[in-house]
Amino acid sequence: EPEVTQTPSHQVTQMGQEVILRCVPISNHLYFYWYRQILGQKVEFLVSFYNNEISEKSEIFDDQFSVERPDGSNFTLKIRSTKLEDSAMYFCASSEALGRNEKLFFGSGTQLSVL
Amino acid sequence: GENVEQHPSTLSVQEGDSAVIKCTYSDSASNYFPWYKQELGKRPQLIIDIRSNVGEKKDQRIAVTLNKTAKHFSLHITETQPEDSAVYFCAATLPNTDKLIFGTGTRLQVFP
Repeated sequence: EPEVTQTPSHQVTQMGQEVILRCVPISNHLYFYWYRQILGQKVEFLVSFYNNEISEKSEIFDDQFSVERPDGSNFTLKIRSTKLEDSAMYFCASSEALGRNEKLFFGSGTQLSVL
Repeated sequence: GENVEQHPSTLSVQEGDSAVIKCTYSDSASNYFPWYKQELGKRPQLIIDIRSNVGEKKDQRIAVTLNKTAKHFSLHITETQPEDSAVYFCAATLPNTDKLIFGTGTRLQVFP
């Protein structure tokens, strides 16, 4: 069964450093998403991406965040200057766009720790 | 905005018993309600979903019911097995948005 893959599985960084989280969505999927889960809290929507541009973003997704699809397979989330409160599990997801947010397939996540 | 509450936070059942997890949502316009299962250290996986024009959906031992009047939906697992042990998340979404709003999760433990 095709899967969304994420790398790295764990990332430790110093506050103020830039990090790039990488994702390879399922190949025939058209919608891509980033969600995050701070320890003990709900899974939260960050951003969706369709047709090579941001479709929707949450209030969490401020100027420190950006997404990119640099080639036909990768989808990345960049945090320019990490803060302690960015520590969380970050999930990438993709869907065939049957509906805008239906039947999402999630990756295994990247655990980001900001020290 | 939409808010989703999920109960209970933990649930322990004996193998073979049924398990029920309940979620409520705040916005009556919500139109799609998926359930995800996350085993320890693994990715969340969609196990069943329901749209607002349907009251119940079943897939083998798993069923979801939706009560639009009361704004709640429930996951029912019958004949539970140890491999059903996981964290289960409900979610809801509004039309014309890409955002899934998740519940806080229920940790289900099925004891042999």
